[in-house]
Amino acid sequence: GQQVMQIPQYQHVQEGEDFTTYCNSSTTLSNIQWYKQRPGGHPVFLIQLVKSGEVKKQKRLTFQFGEAKKNSSLHITATQTTDVGTYFCAGVEYGNKLVFGAGTILRVKS
Amino acid sequence: DGGITQSPKYLFRKEGQNVTLSCEQNLNHDAMYWYRQDPGQGLRLIYYSQIVNDFQKGDIAEGYSVSREKKESFPLTVTSAQKNPTAFYLCASRTTGTTDTQYFGPGTRLTVL
Repeated sequence: GQQVMQIPQYQHVQEGEDFTTYCNSSTTLSNIQWYKQRPGGHPVFLIQLVKSGEVKKQKRLTFQFGEAKKNSSLHITATQTTDVGTYFCAGVEYGNKLVFGAGTILRVKS
Repeated sequence: DGGITQSPKYLFRKEGQNVTLSCEQNLNHDAMYWYRQDPGQGLRLIYYSQIVNDFQKGDIAEGYSVSREKKESFPLTVTSAQKNPTAFYLCASRTTGTTDTQYFGPGTRLTVL
């Protein structure tokens, strides 16, 4: 079945440093989504990428979808303490349900 | 959140007891989902329902049961057959016919003593 791998599992950065999490699917995806879960909270939808090679930005966050539609990344520029949380990617195989990656836990030292 | 409620936020039960977790949404969404989250792990799908009176098993359905008698409600019962029931349970919903973007409830943290 479809698998979605996400790395790294943890990332501890100094405030102001950049952060990147990577997501890889075992199969070609119709779209990929990113969610953020604050400590003690629930996942909240951030963005969806649909097109091959797509790049979207939300302020300091940059999301990319690979040309083959099997991988994606989330890059945060100049992290802030408010960025703390777990970032999940979730892939959708054509006609199938959402499959979540294991998530990357981001901690930011001020 | 934004129209999906789960209650209670924290739940304690003795081993061997069945327990039902509530999930209600007023978003008029057709599809509803139950996930389980363990520390340091991602979300694993337990059950999902795309329409009233119909539901399908997810990846880890053993020891769980659901019902979907109303569009707004999708309760999950954790039975005594579930070997490791202590976890954070998340309910989600989405509208069919659009993207698969899911809206999550605040979750219920179940602890079995």
